[in-house]
Amino acid sequence: DADVTQTPRNRITKTGKRIMLECSQTKGHDRMYWYRQDPGLGLRLIYYSFDVKDINKGEISDGYSVSRQAQAKFSLSLESAIPNQTALYFCATSDRTGEETQYFGPGTRLLVL
Amino acid sequence: DAKTTQPNSMESNEEEPVHLPCNHSTISGTDYIHWYRQLPSQGPEYVIHGLTSNVNNRMASLAIAEDRKSSTLILHRATLRDAAVYYCIPIQGGSEKLVFGKGTKLTVNP
Repeated sequence: DADVTQTPRNRITKTGKRIMLECSQTKGHDRMYWYRQDPGLGLRLIYYSFDVKDINKGEISDGYSVSRQAQAKFSLSLESAIPNQTALYFCATSDRTGEETQYFGPGTRLLVL
Repeated sequence: DAKTTQPNSMESNEEEPVHLPCNHSTISGTDYIHWYRQLPSQGPEYVIHGLTSNVNNRMASLAIAEDRKSSTLILHRATLRDAAVYYCIPIQGGSEKLVFGKGTKLTVNP
């Protein structure tokens, strides 16, 4: 079984709809991250969480919110989806070694019509 | 965050060595140098990282310049499965995030 899983893997939604992307991990890591990737570009950080009670904005948090329900679960919500949020979304985890190795999920492909 | 410069693309032949360069002239003394790769339709995958000394693991080797302003990821024998975008990422220990640039797209020819 994969260490970092994301659901759904693909999603089509309409402008204005609220949707949630979910991430679960079995690595026992405290730190979790949400990134988005647009075609031809590198990943950009949306939100990150260092533990259950810690939530921090990344470089492109506008239009998104997150929830850290447990150490193993970190959800990303689009409150009112818009077409320019069409992208590939990745969840990642890391431990506290200080050397910052991150482990990524397989991604969720989101299309907003 | 230290800025990085990588070639947009490189090509290699199967079973030949590949040297992927990265310039990070603004790196600080406590930044680790991480390399990740992203295969088509997959999430990024950790490859290797180092601080000052050259590093080897089962996937690759990392050669770090003495002044730490550049590094080279070495794939000793490229395979078709190594075709991916390779990202060089300096990051301070304990920092909260990886900053991904555009990376180098490696094409491996049969």
